[in-house]
Amino acid sequence: ETGVTQSPTHLIKTRGQQVTLRCSSQSGHNTVSWYQQALGQGPQFIFQYYREEENGRGNFPPRFSGLQFPNYSSELNVNALELDDSALYLCASSLGGSGNYNEQFFGPGTRLTVL
Amino acid sequence: SQKIEQNSEALNIQEGKTATLTCNYTNYSPAYLQWYRQDPGRGPVFLLLIRENEKEKRKERLKVTFDTTLKQSLFHITASQPADSATYLCAPYRGGGADGLTFGKGTHLIIQP
Repeated sequence: ETGVTQSPTHLIKTRGQQVTLRCSSQSGHNTVSWYQQALGQGPQFIFQYYREEENGRGNFPPRFSGLQFPNYSSELNVNALELDDSALYLCASSLGGSGNYNEQFFGPGTRLTVL
Repeated sequence: SQKIEQNSEALNIQEGKTATLTCNYTNYSPAYLQWYRQDPGRGPVFLLLIRENEKEKRKERLKVTFDTTLKQSLFHITASQPADSATYLCAPYRGGGADGLTFGKGTHLIIQP
């Protein structure tokens, strides 16, 4: 049991809508990363938050945004949903800072379907 | 651009044999390489990390090698069991920055009883 939780489990939206996904990190972890995983693919890095600041971002457009709260939980927001946004969205927590090797502890994911 | 290649086809292994999975990378100079296991509909689970100055790392029935000259990591499961059936993902990591992990597509391993 990793301790990382995500909500909701499943979500269905229509094109053009906005969605917010939530993640609670594992106790003691100060870094949260979000990944998008399409069917048959490996997870793709969206962005990372460290102590409430975005400090790394993958190749995703600005309509993907996020927040990290003082308790290190996090939100992923996606605006103007497109059909290609349909995927499993994974949140991963880790212990950031120097001397750590970025082992990621993943949550179960949120399955987003865009119609 | 960075590229990570894992066995594209599913790997079928008979129970009790050793399963060997390959991870090749190009345009990369990772300081570490991580392996994860992912079951259907679940998030990946961290298995092992190996550093560039380590040739081999073991954990129970798992063994990982890391050859920075060949730009390759091999992941071995000895005495394989049906419960080992899953998708295995590799993630070479440069380290030291705020980059998330870049994963390969994964290898789907099937252990047949």
